[in-house]
Amino acid sequence: KAGVTQTPRYLIKTRGQQVTLSCSPISGHRSVSWYQQTPGQGLQFLFEYFSETQRNKGNFPGRFSGRQFSNSRSEMNVSTLELGDSALYLCASSQTPTGGSGYTFGSGTRLTVV
Amino acid sequence: AQSVTQPDIHITVSEGASLELRCNYSYGATPYLFWYVQSPGQGLQLLLKYFSGDTLVQGIKGFEAEFKRSQSSFNLRKPSVHWSDAAEYFCAVFNTNAGKSTFGDGTTLTVKP
Repeated sequence: KAGVTQTPRYLIKTRGQQVTLSCSPISGHRSVSWYQQTPGQGLQFLFEYFSETQRNKGNFPGRFSGRQFSNSRSEMNVSTLELGDSALYLCASSQTPTGGSGYTFGSGTRLTVV
Repeated sequence: AQSVTQPDIHITVSEGASLELRCNYSYGATPYLFWYVQSPGQGLQLLLKYFSGDTLVQGIKGFEAEFKRSQSSFNLRKPSVHWSDAAEYFCAVFNTNAGKSTFGDGTTLTVKP
């Protein structure tokens, strides 16, 4: 079966712009979590959606938001981009909330803010 | 609060040698534990997981891990490393009460020919 699909794979944006990242989970998985990965901070949890409801949120500013659609696809939005937002953004889907049964990760979206 | 510590930032082993990557966790109850591997430019792939029962769990790619409650450890092992095992490895713990996963900072494995 198809894996977790993240689009786009690479993005270059200018400081102050906004960006939307997309994630399609594995068929049948209703939980989608987003992580930010940087060399300095490692893997940081952003938020998790389960059946279109945000279940958990990490310690990120309100500029980071997300949503989940009825088909479980999820989008993440970052507004007013800052240089420090440059990172690999990973989407992870799981059958049970928050990866309790283990995550399946996408390949990520590499965001570069210039 | 739960936490995961991977004491070794970087490990180098020769191809064919055995491997052990360390993971220590801090969590009040019986943890759900995971090991993931990440190749450069890719997402993480689940290697194995422990929920309960047998403390020695087998995973994909010939990896295994042993849960030791007395030492709060969940170390990853492989008897003979292949060059393709070079990657970054992450240990993670799932907090069943809070419904959150916490990842360690990762261990980068280099394999010498």
